[in-house]
Amino acid sequence: GAGVSQSPSNKVTEKGKDVELRCDPISGHTALYWYRQSLGQGLEFLIYFQGNSAPDKSGLPSDRFSAERTGGSVSTLTIQRTQQEDSAVYLCASSLAGTSSETQYFGPGTRLLVL
Amino acid sequence: AQSVTQLDSHVSVSEGTPVLLRCNYSSSYSPSLFWYVQHPNKGLQLLLKYTSAATLVKGINGFEAEFKKSETSFHLTKPSAHMSDAAEYFCVVSDPLGGGADGLTFGKGTHLIIQP
Repeated sequence: GAGVSQSPSNKVTEKGKDVELRCDPISGHTALYWYRQSLGQGLEFLIYFQGNSAPDKSGLPSDRFSAERTGGSVSTLTIQRTQQEDSAVYLCASSLAGTSSETQYFGPGTRLLVL
Repeated sequence: AQSVTQLDSHVSVSEGTPVLLRCNYSSSYSPSLFWYVQHPNKGLQLLLKYTSAATLVKGINGFEAEFKKSETSFHLTKPSAHMSDAAEYFCVVSDPLGGGADGLTFGKGTHLIIQP
């Protein structure tokens, strides 16, 4: 079956612009995760959705970052007023029910470059 | 709080020789542990996971890992390296108390190089 998909695969933007990253999880997966992979910080967890709800947004790097999920499916990660330090690969993952022992299935990522 | 330490940032082995990638974890409770692999410009793929069942876990492509609670280790091994194993490997811990809501905690990664 189809895996996790993300779009766009690459995004180049100018400092100060807003960007929107999209994630389509595996059908039927109730849990969805966003991560960021950068050279300096490695792989870091950003936010988790169970259904449409994100119980804890403290992992988002700043208030310029926001995320939402609608219909228990597609999620968007929005970065406002982008900065050069936002350049990274943004990864989305999904799992069936959101327990700690479940496998998370990752998408190919969106590579963001802020000039 | 939980953490993962991958003891080697780079490991180089010859094709056909054994692979050992070392990982130590810190967790207040019995964690779930995973190894993921990332090939260049590809997504993360699960190799294997430990979830409090058998301590020796077998994964895909001939990899296996042994959970040793006394040593807080979860080292990844493979008897014979193949050129296609060249990739970045991540040791990952998941906190059972947080459910999945705390996300996964990743190690810094080990870059595996296979010499012909």
